[in-house]
Amino acid sequence: DGGITQSPKYLFRKEGQNVTLSCEQNLNHDAMYWYRQDPGQGLRLIYYSQIVNDFQKGDIAEGYSVSREKKESFPLTVTSAQKNPTAFYLCASSMGLAGDPSYEQYFGPGTRLTVT
Amino acid sequence: AQKVTQAQTEISVVEKEDVTLDCVYETRDTTYYLFWYKQPPSGELVFLIRRNSFDEQNEISGRYSWNFQKSTSSFNFTITASQVVDSAVYFCALSEADRGSTLGRLYFGRGTQLTVWP
Repeated sequence: DGGITQSPKYLFRKEGQNVTLSCEQNLNHDAMYWYRQDPGQGLRLIYYSQIVNDFQKGDIAEGYSVSREKKESFPLTVTSAQKNPTAFYLCASSMGLAGDPSYEQYFGPGTRLTVT
Repeated sequence: AQKVTQAQTEISVVEKEDVTLDCVYETRDTTYYLFWYKQPPSGELVFLIRRNSFDEQNEISGRYSWNFQKSTSSFNFTITASQVVDSAVYFCALSEADRGSTLGRLYFGRGTQLTVWP
């Protein structure tokens, strides 16, 4: 089955620790995205990557980092610099080449991160 | 400024009622795309429909229909004869395609929580 996998579904961390969220897709999509969702806020873009070894900051990149070494994988690290890391994180991918905006994005099941 | 506005935060209806979810967008691009997504309680967003700025035809898919009006910058979503399984958060989104725009990124509204009671 083709799709996007995010693991784990629930993640708990202590304040001050870095944590990496996994995102893997087997759809052969070029573009991948990370969003953060808070209650009543909708989805906000953290980082996106249109091609391997390239990525751009979204609207709320501070305190986050990403890498795109493989087409299938786009892990997100939430660093200790992120002031309010507790949120629901969604990964998405799109088949659009070079960020073709006409294609829809497919979403993973999300990771709910709680930092205490 | 918010590019996509979903003014209705929450809507509650009783099963079999029709319900319309509003979406108003803002863009200076001549070419753009509009999307609707459904987020059930499980959390994963499900793609429902895509519309380009040059196609103002309304679309119907089963109990779902969409009304796109460029004159009012709106892309409203109607569910006919709602069912309990329609309960979810619905998001409207915009992507811009003119030269100079940030291609591929989606701008989401804040979503409308629809609750359908039996």
